[in-house]
Amino acid sequence: DTEVTQTPKHLVMGMTNKKSLKCEQHMGHRAMYWYKQKAKKPPELMFVYSYEKLSINESVPSRFSPECPNSSLLNLHLHALQPEDSALYLCASSLQPSSYNEQFFGPGTRLTVL
Amino acid sequence: GDSVTQMEGPVTLSEEACLTINCTYTATGYPSLFWYVQYPGEGLQLLLKATKADDKGSNKGFEATYRKETTSFHLEKGSVQVSDSAVYFCALTPSGNTGKLIFGQGTTLQVKP
Repeated sequence: DTEVTQTPKHLVMGMTNKKSLKCEQHMGHRAMYWYKQKAKKPPELMFVYSYEKLSINESVPSRFSPECPNSSLLNLHLHALQPEDSALYLCASSLQPSSYNEQFFGPGTRLTVL
Repeated sequence: GDSVTQMEGPVTLSEEACLTINCTYTATGYPSLFWYVQYPGEGLQLLLKATKADDKGSNKGFEATYRKETTSFHLEKGSVQVSDSAVYFCALTPSGNTGKLIFGQGTTLQVKP
């Protein structure tokens, strides 16, 4: 199994809703990442988990809350989002958080906040 | 800080034309360099990588050489196909073990039959 899966594929939510994005990999990777990508822009790093511990938070607002329950699973909990948070949310994983290891990306969750 | 600069697009080519997408970087130490491709409505796929100076990455007819003296990692392909139409991102990971991936702005390639 050499892929990163993300669910759901699409999500529409109101500003008062609570929802979660899920990411899974079974490649034995020990680093996992969340990115946000707006249309016609490159992905922007949000969080890095290294060996199930949060190692990087790129000053992301607290309405985004990551969680790594085990080495294969990564969640992003969403609460009280704003319309400007509408974007493609990409999950990625790598063998380790090393500069030598490439990151494998999932297909993304397209989020719309109304 | 570390950064990546790509040529602006869109780049429009006819099928079988030669492709070059320029990429230069600014980084301390010895970063690793990557090219990712994103097809419409999809996530990113790794196209190729190079982890040290003078390394050449290659895949699916695409090539790029890590040039430390010019801080460049230009993407080339000898004969493009319509199916190569996508957005191409040059990226680097700085030295060390943070795993941070820093992207260029992306270059859209359109190949016409």
